[in-house]
Amino acid sequence: AQSVTQLGSHVSVSEGALVLLRCNYSSSVPPYLFWYVQYPNQGLQLLLKYTSAATLVKGINGFEAEFKKSETSFHLTKPSAHMSDAAEYFCAVRRDNDYKLSFGAGTTVTVRA
Amino acid sequence: NAGVTQTPKFQVLKTGQSMTLQCAQDMNHNSMYWYRQDPGMGLRLIYYSASEGTTDKGEVPNGYNVSRLNKREFSLRLESAAPSQTSVYFCASNLGVSEKLFFGSGTQLSVL
Repeated sequence: AQSVTQLGSHVSVSEGALVLLRCNYSSSVPPYLFWYVQYPNQGLQLLLKYTSAATLVKGINGFEAEFKKSETSFHLTKPSAHMSDAAEYFCAVRRDNDYKLSFGAGTTVTVRA
Repeated sequence: NAGVTQTPKFQVLKTGQSMTLQCAQDMNHNSMYWYRQDPGMGLRLIYYSASEGTTDKGEVPNGYNVSRLNKREFSLRLESAAPSQTSVYFCASNLGVSEKLFFGSGTQLSVL
């Protein structure tokens, strides 16, 4: 079964600082990997997805993630945090042709002025 | 552009009561899903419908039933609500298995 581990349930960064959210997966075969964002009182929105075309994936709002097979990781980064980045972020994984998407527990990001 | 619409937004039930959560999408998506979100546990798949006329169990189906009424609508029913079903419920849809999910805004359910 697929599983996803997000390290750190809460991350606090200063405005303008680097945002780094960690995600590790367990999979016997290369999976499809996703990052979703949830703003307060809203549903989730896709930030980016990895589908084996390139190891560095660029998403919306300046976020990007790098797939590292040797480390089974898919960490999310943004060089300079903005106040509007305050939200909860979820890493997710699924196998090819599997409708079941497995989510991590989520990381809440707060941005300090 | 409505996207995925869920009703109701909030609901309080007593233990043993039943209710149905409604979900409709206007994007002509083939697949629809019901997730529950609990603190520290992320989202867990309850049931999904890969296409009209089909439904399958997800990770946590016990205590729930679903109906794919037509291509647009996918409802989730709690026959006898329990306090353990207190959660935020999200409906989602996508065009197919490899496509991104579109989520509704959620239903906050409390079972007393």
